[in-house]
Amino acid sequence: AQKVTQAQTEISVVEKEDVTLDCVYETRDTTYYLFWYKQPPSGELVFLIRRNSFDEQNEISGRYSWNFQKSTSSFNFTITASQVVDSAVYFCALSERGTSYGKLTFGQGTILTVHP
Amino acid sequence: KAGVTQTPRYLIKTRGQQVTLSCSPISGHRSVSWYQQTPGQGLQFLFEYFSETQRNKGNFPGRFSGRQFSNSRSEMNVSTLELGDSALYLCASSGSGGPSYEQYFGPGTRLTVT
Repeated sequence: AQKVTQAQTEISVVEKEDVTLDCVYETRDTTYYLFWYKQPPSGELVFLIRRNSFDEQNEISGRYSWNFQKSTSSFNFTITASQVVDSAVYFCALSERGTSYGKLTFGQGTILTVHP
Repeated sequence: KAGVTQTPRYLIKTRGQQVTLSCSPISGHRSVSWYQQTPGQGLQFLFEYFSETQRNKGNFPGRFSGRQFSNSRSEMNVSTLELGDSALYLCASSGSGGPSYEQYFGPGTRLTVT
C-alpha cells in the first residue's frame, strides 16, 4: 500500500533562513506521481508542484526548489531565504497510476513557522 | 476562472443527525474528490466521482456517501453523526481525476458534532 512520511512535524526558522522539508514515500507501483501542497491558515490547500516517477530532474521555481531521488524514495522541498508569508502547513502527497482515480495519499504535514 | 467552492463553510450538528455538504468544481472539471482532515488522522481520502459515477472509495464506513450531478457539482452526506466526524471536509476538483493530474481544493467545510 502507498504511504507518505513527513518526519518533521514542526519547523521554526527566522526569516531569510533556508529550510528543507523532508518527504519519503512508499509505493509498489512503477508509475506514480508526487505532489507538494501548501495549506495556509485559511485552510485551502494550494498546489505547488507535481513530479512523475520517470522524471528525476530537480526543479526550481523562484525561492522554491524540489529534490526528487528515486534511490532513496524521497521528494524534498527547500525554501530559500524564507519569508513570514511562507508560514503554513506543507503536505507531500502521492498518487499511483494503478489505484488512484482522484486519490491522493498525504503525509501528516509539516508546520512551518517563519519568524520575522 | 472561479475556484472550487464549498458550502456551507461552517456547520454545527448534534450526534445522530445527518448532514449534507456541497461542492462546486472549477468550470470544466469533471472529477470531484472528497477528503476528511482531522488533527489525529490527517488528510484522508473519502471518495471520487466522475461523470456522476463513484470511481474510487477510501476506507470509511457506509455512513459516508456522496453523489455527483450532471453539472459536476457534488454533495457528500454523513448520516448518524458521531463526535469523531468533527473535521474539516475538503473537496477537490481536477480535469479527469487521473493520477497525474493535480487537484484544486476548495476552502473546506468545518463540521463540528456536539
